[in-house]
Amino acid sequence: DVKVTQSSRYLVKRTGEKVFLECVQDMDHENMFWYRQDPGLGLRLIYFSYDVKMKEKGDIPEGYSVSREKKERFSLILESASTNQTSMYLCASSFSGSGTNIQYFGAGTRLSVL
Amino acid sequence: DQQVKQNSPSLSVQEGRISILNCDYTNSMFDYFLWYKKYPAEGPTFLISISSIKDKNEDGRFTVFLNKSAKHLSLHIVPSQPGDSAVYFCAANPHNTNAGKSTFGDGTTLTVKP
Repeated sequence: DVKVTQSSRYLVKRTGEKVFLECVQDMDHENMFWYRQDPGLGLRLIYFSYDVKMKEKGDIPEGYSVSREKKERFSLILESASTNQTSMYLCASSFSGSGTNIQYFGAGTRLSVL
Repeated sequence: DQQVKQNSPSLSVQEGRISILNCDYTNSMFDYFLWYKKYPAEGPTFLISISSIKDKNEDGRFTVFLNKSAKHLSLHIVPSQPGDSAVYFCAANPHNTNAGKSTFGDGTTLTVKP
């Protein structure tokens, strides 16, 4: 089974702190994604990566950056956390050559910024 | 402009009855569609998918119908069970999406009452 592991289930941070959310997948997938999920807004794509050191902005990249130094690991960085970044963050990965691009998700990190 | 819409935020059905979840899309370049299910405190998991060359795909109690002319798809669950209670996301992939990027709807919360 594909496993996507997010390092923390719950995080509480202060406004202005630098926050790192880590995600690791064990299936050698080329593609990795970061979403945030908010009530009534569904899944919104923040950033995605289709290869090591490659990244592209999603629909809501403002206030976020990402890092992909190794194929299995995709990090989401909040340079200076703000209260409007309180949300559920979901990481996903997918195999590039499948044609179906089914995404496999981690369990999520619920981040509260106080 | 929201390209994938799930117009019903919630749906409640009795156990044993049919659940019908709907999804509309606007982008003619979408050619592969997926449904994901999400339980609270878990990440979404892939449920069923359909290619644009088909109009129906069935997997056990779950059937997805695609009406390309209307740009509409629906997920039928028959019979519905209490364990089906979850948030269901519709997703669409454009043709030749090498990066595996999907566009998600806002989700429909299904409640199946015993």
